[in-house]
Amino acid sequence: NAGVTQTPKFRILKIGQSMTLQCAQDMNHNYMYWYRQDPGMGLKLIYYSVGAGITDKGEVPNGYNVSRSTTEDFPLRLELAAPSQTSVYFCASSYLASGFTDTQYFGPGTRLTVL
Amino acid sequence: DQQVKQNSPSLSVQEGRISILNCDYTNSMFDYFLWYKKYPAEGPTFLISISSIKDKNEDGRFTVFLNKSAKHLSLHIVPSQPGDSAVYFCAASIRGGSEKLVFGKGTKLTVNP
Repeated sequence: NAGVTQTPKFRILKIGQSMTLQCAQDMNHNYMYWYRQDPGMGLKLIYYSVGAGITDKGEVPNGYNVSRSTTEDFPLRLELAAPSQTSVYFCASSYLASGFTDTQYFGPGTRLTVL
Repeated sequence: DQQVKQNSPSLSVQEGRISILNCDYTNSMFDYFLWYKKYPAEGPTFLISISSIKDKNEDGRFTVFLNKSAKHLSLHIVPSQPGDSAVYFCAASIRGGSEKLVFGKGTKLTVNP
């Protein structure tokens, strides 16, 4: 199992550009999450999905969009990039069983800089 | 409004001694607590968790204590090893929902040889 994979590892964007951060998991997890971590801060939830076709906002969703067309993939879209979106982005996944999910497994992160 | 607080940004201990990392929370609805460990340029990895029905959970050198009345939990690492040097995040969730994690800001632990 590759676990949770994220691409790209690094990216520099200009203000106003757009991009998609890719996330995939091969563990057949139904729950997937996107977090961002700013310097000196904890992780904050951007969006999450409880299954294919179902997504919902987290704590800091503004400026982002997501889709979940398959169980494996959960891409995060940035439209009109702004310097405030400079951050490290982590994707995570977990499995729901007996009403409770297992621990969340995280990808290695994507470091994004918006100039 | 920070619901999960780690008030010590950093902690330095000698190899072989005990490391104690602290975490406070404000939301009394939280009923599941986790500690994640993070090395530079890597994603967080799960370390240990505790349900609110327990007050202690142990896994090898790692023990988590939960004091619900004080809304406080702590992670004890005994004995500390240089490889334990990392940032430790405390996280909390409400089980049975979407299991969203709320993270603290992290504590950077340095274990000196």
